[in-house]
Amino acid sequence: AQSVTQPDIHITVSEGASLELRCNYSYGATPYLFWYVQSPGQGLQLLLKYFSGDTLVQGIKGFEAEFKRSQSSFNLRKPSVHWSDAAEYFCAVAIKAAGNKLTFGGGTRVLVKP
Amino acid sequence: EPEVTQTPSHQVTQMGQEVILRCVPISNHLYFYWYRQILGQKVEFLVSFYNNEISEKSEIFDDQFSVERPDGSNFTLKIRSTKLEDSAMYFCASSEQGPTGELFFGEGSRLTVL
Repeated sequence: AQSVTQPDIHITVSEGASLELRCNYSYGATPYLFWYVQSPGQGLQLLLKYFSGDTLVQGIKGFEAEFKRSQSSFNLRKPSVHWSDAAEYFCAVAIKAAGNKLTFGGGTRVLVKP
Repeated sequence: EPEVTQTPSHQVTQMGQEVILRCVPISNHLYFYWYRQILGQKVEFLVSFYNNEISEKSEIFDDQFSVERPDGSNFTLKIRSTKLEDSAMYFCASSEQGPTGELFFGEGSRLTVL
């Protein structure tokens, strides 16, 4: 069965510093890959997605992610975080052959220090 | 901007009672989903719905759960006889293209079973 792992449960970063959130997936084929963000009291918002092509994808709010097939990873990055980036971030995969659903990682909660 | 709306935002119920969670997906979307997130745990897939029928369901989605699209705009999740472990945040999502397109999530309905 497909699985998604986000190794970091919490990350604390200073405002203006760079941020990288890790995501690894387990599946033989290349899945469709997503990053969602959940701000407190809000639903899940799509930051970016990867289906094929250029392995570096740009998303909203200044985020980008890089797909590395050899490492089965899809890490999310932002060069300079803002206080409003404090939220929980979820990596997710969808594989058509495995059914019509998203599988989410456990999430990484990002705290931003002033 | 079109959005997915969910009601109620919070419901408290007694164990054994029936609960209906309501969702209004984005109007031109064809794929509908329910996910849930037990406090501190992963977002989990429950069920997907397309063309007026369930297209996939998880092992969580047992006989006490049902979904319905009663009137062409609402998409409901019914839990017939709630259990303590059903306490969670329930997210509705809709998509124009299925899981490989963007899923738009509602803000969630928090269910507390006492």
